Amino acid sequence: RKEVEQDPGPFNVPEGATVAFNCTYSNSASQSFFWYRQDCRKEPKLLMSVYSSGNEDGRFTAQLNRASQYISLLIRDSKLSDSATYLCVVNTNAGGTSYGKLTFGQGTILTVHP
Amino acid sequence: SAVISQKPSRDICQRGTSLTIQCQVDSQVTMMFWYRQQPGQSLTLIATANQGSEATYESGFVIDKFPISRPNLTFSTLTVSNMSPEDSSIYLCSVRQGGEKLFFGSGTQLSVL
Repeated sequence: RKEVEQDPGPFNVPEGATVAFNCTYSNSASQSFFWYRQDCRKEPKLLMSVYSSGNEDGRFTAQLNRASQYISLLIRDSKLSDSATYLCVVNTNAGGTSYGKLTFGQGTILTVHP
Repeated sequence: SAVISQKPSRDICQRGTSLTIQCQVDSQVTMMFWYRQQPGQSLTLIATANQGSEATYESGFVIDKFPISRPNLTFSTLTVSNMSPEDSSIYLCSVRQGGEKLFFGSGTQLSVL
């Protein structure tokens, strides 16, 4: 089983739609969670951290379910510019290190069309 | 966030040759990370580069193939040695800021013929 799993998609949605991505992780000791966005041929960029209580940033809402070991990202009112690959990232504090290890999911491709 | 300059941005190389990728950060950082992203895949950590000590390699990656230098707190290089077509990938350097948040250079797209 992969440490971090995502539905690769692609998700094709019209502008204005609401779309949700899920991500599951296998290590129950994982401590922190992030969503990154990667545009085609570009480097990944941090979209948002995911907090236990859930958090929102404009049209984006992230949630964490520790019991079921999954995180989600909800995008409301999709824009054409939201088209990208969304990467789920999990930080697990490996033994003997103070900084933890970041593990990336394979990414979910989103295409928003007019 | 840190500004990370990475070069070259892309290169096409012959098998058996080596390529050195440079990464420059605009602030001092303790650790720099090198990732690989193969076509259609997610990111895989190659190694962690610490200033003043040897890099720490992840499973499946060895120093002979991916030697790393870290001469100071703002600079690192990754060399892809004795390249084969399987090394064709995007290579990314990154640093952590704000705790666990990771920031990336713009990447080096490598094609090996």
